[in-house]
Amino acid sequence: EADIYQTPRYLVIGTGKKITLECSQTMGHDKMYWYQQDPGMELHLIHYSYGVNSTEKGDLSSESTVSRIRTEHFPLTLESARPSHTSQYLCASSAGLARTDTQYFGPGTRLTVL
Amino acid sequence: KNEVEQSPQNLTAQEGEFITINCSYSVGISALHWLQQHPGGGIVSLFMLSSGKKKHGRLIATINIQEKHSSLHITASHPRDSAVYICAVTRGGSNYKLTFGKGTLLTVNP
Repeated sequence: EADIYQTPRYLVIGTGKKITLECSQTMGHDKMYWYQQDPGMELHLIHYSYGVNSTEKGDLSSESTVSRIRTEHFPLTLESARPSHTSQYLCASSAGLARTDTQYFGPGTRLTVL
Repeated sequence: KNEVEQSPQNLTAQEGEFITINCSYSVGISALHWLQQHPGGGIVSLFMLSSGKKKHGRLIATINIQEKHSSLHITASHPRDSAVYICAVTRGGSNYKLTFGKGTLLTVNP
């Protein structure tokens, strides 16, 4: 069982609110990832980090931002939520010892913006 | 056209049946991953392979690098196998990033 946690699991919020989705892992993994998944669609990478103070944008453009101040913590922030941000957000981590590391996924946060 | 294509999109089976899910990809890869996603969203990595075949319990994954094709087989399927099965690839030179298929929704009826 992977030790990677996401909170909240479900969030319903009004347009214009600032939100932060939390992701934490206790495995000491250097690499962490945020994915966005719409219903019935594939996952898309929106942010990734190779270590503390390292963050990069992923393949899918996103209005969200991330930070990596501590190895175990990789929060995602939306400054002003909009209905188009409604989706599932999945966090993952990997040890990064090889290019083809297994990624361990959190349970996801299902975000609904009204 | 997606770089990772899965078939079928939906699959319904009776308990005990042998299941095959297919994945084709159009890019050079370092590895191919099979993942399982249950209702509620959590994703578990089942296999990572770059050649040949791997087996874990009732699950078998194969890959043919020349044909850019992989299959996931489930023997003696059970209702608890009902989930979305996702194929993903680590593209050559991509440094850890995964490209995902849309998934195959498997329903196993008792």
